[in-house]
Amino acid sequence: ELKVEQNPLFLSMQEGKNYTIYCNYSTTSDRLYWYRQDPGKSLESLFVLLSNGAVKQEGRLMASLDTKARLSTLHITAAVHDLSATYFCAVDIYSGGGADGLTFGKGTHLIIQP
Amino acid sequence: DVKVTQSSRYLVKRTGEKVFLECVQDMDHENMFWYRQDPGLGLRLIYFSYDVKMKEKGDIPEGYSVSREKKERFSLILESASTNQTSMYLCASNELAGTGGNNEQFFGPGTRLTVL
Repeated sequence: ELKVEQNPLFLSMQEGKNYTIYCNYSTTSDRLYWYRQDPGKSLESLFVLLSNGAVKQEGRLMASLDTKARLSTLHITAAVHDLSATYFCAVDIYSGGGADGLTFGKGTHLIIQP
Repeated sequence: DVKVTQSSRYLVKRTGEKVFLECVQDMDHENMFWYRQDPGLGLRLIYFSYDVKMKEKGDIPEGYSVSREKKERFSLILESASTNQTSMYLCASNELAGTGGNNEQFFGPGTRLTVL
């Protein structure tokens, strides 16, 4: 059974600081996705990582994937209040045939304070 | 842009009622999914479908059924609602990218269901 673990699950940080969210998973996969969810809203796709060593950046967020370590990181640089949200990683172990669902981590609730 | 819509944002039902949650996508995606989201548990897959009239159980199918009569529409059915089915329900869709491809899912706005 695939397990996806995120840490931390809760993070309160100050504006201007840097921090990293970690996502570990238990089964071989080379596809990992990061989503953002604002309170009361649905999930918004942030990054799609499709190979070992993949790195994607958007503004103050950067995501990377190490498939050998089964680890993805979401790095926040010089945090601003607008980045306050819950961040989910999700792993895809689709191996052919029909569709398969994603397996999600429990989410990291991020609060950025002035 | 991919658009996934759900029939209701908020729904209140009574125990024992039959409940239908509807999801429609406009991008001709083959695959559609139903998840529920609960605090501390994250998102859990209930059912999914990879073609019209095809369905597969996810991780927590008990108490639910689904229907996919048309490609763009995927319905989640609670045959007899219970209080432990109070949750946020999220529908998603994607196209079949195959092994090594991008299987990113696109989510609807969610339906917050309360069962009294």
